[in-house]
Amino acid sequence: AQTVTQSQPEMSVQEAETVTLSCTYDTSENNYYLFWYKQPPSRQMILVIRQEAYKQQNATENRFSVNFQKAAKSFSLKISDSQLGDTAMYFCAFVFGNTDKLIFGTGTRLQVFP
Amino acid sequence: DAMVIQNPRYQVTQFGKPVTLSCSQTLNHNVMYWYQQKSSQAPKLLFHYYDKDFNNEADTPDNFQSRRPNTSFCFLDIRSPGLGDAAMYLCATSRRGRTQYFGPGTRLLVL
Repeated sequence: AQTVTQSQPEMSVQEAETVTLSCTYDTSENNYYLFWYKQPPSRQMILVIRQEAYKQQNATENRFSVNFQKAAKSFSLKISDSQLGDTAMYFCAFVFGNTDKLIFGTGTRLQVFP
Repeated sequence: DAMVIQNPRYQVTQFGKPVTLSCSQTLNHNVMYWYQQKSSQAPKLLFHYYDKDFNNEADTPDNFQSRRPNTSFCFLDIRSPGLGDAAMYLCATSRRGRTQYFGPGTRLLVL
């Protein structure tokens, strides 16, 4: 079965601090893509970062980086220098092979405090 | 800028009155998706099109239908909305097996 687990329903962080959101997944596939999406109160689903499973190098997008551990099937998101605008629900997800289905985790609600 | 557009952003309908939500894209992606999302939950895939091939999820109610007249447009028809169909409806597009890009969503209210 293809599953994604986000074990932290809610997290909070102070502005300018660093926070890490956890994600583990289960798949027997070897070829897949992993994603973190952000959904602010506007409910627009925004791509934060993506990682190709065949790449060993961890993806980075400005203040956002991932720690991809393929053997452990772990894909955590680190947000550095947190900003108030980072307050949102964060979904971990993956798609594998030539399928079209995005498998979502249950989400982590992040609150950034001033 | 290339994008995914959804109209309307807010839709109010009456119980049992048919409603159509629309999605268009300028990304020239061959896959288009419709998701239903209720508060604090992950989006739930209703169906998707790979080009003109329609793929329905097994647990999508018959009340939900979709049309894709061309590459750019996709419609979600709810034939007889019930109170339980009130939700955010998200459209997304992608190349096969690649990143999905989402529109801003349509919030549906059923009275």
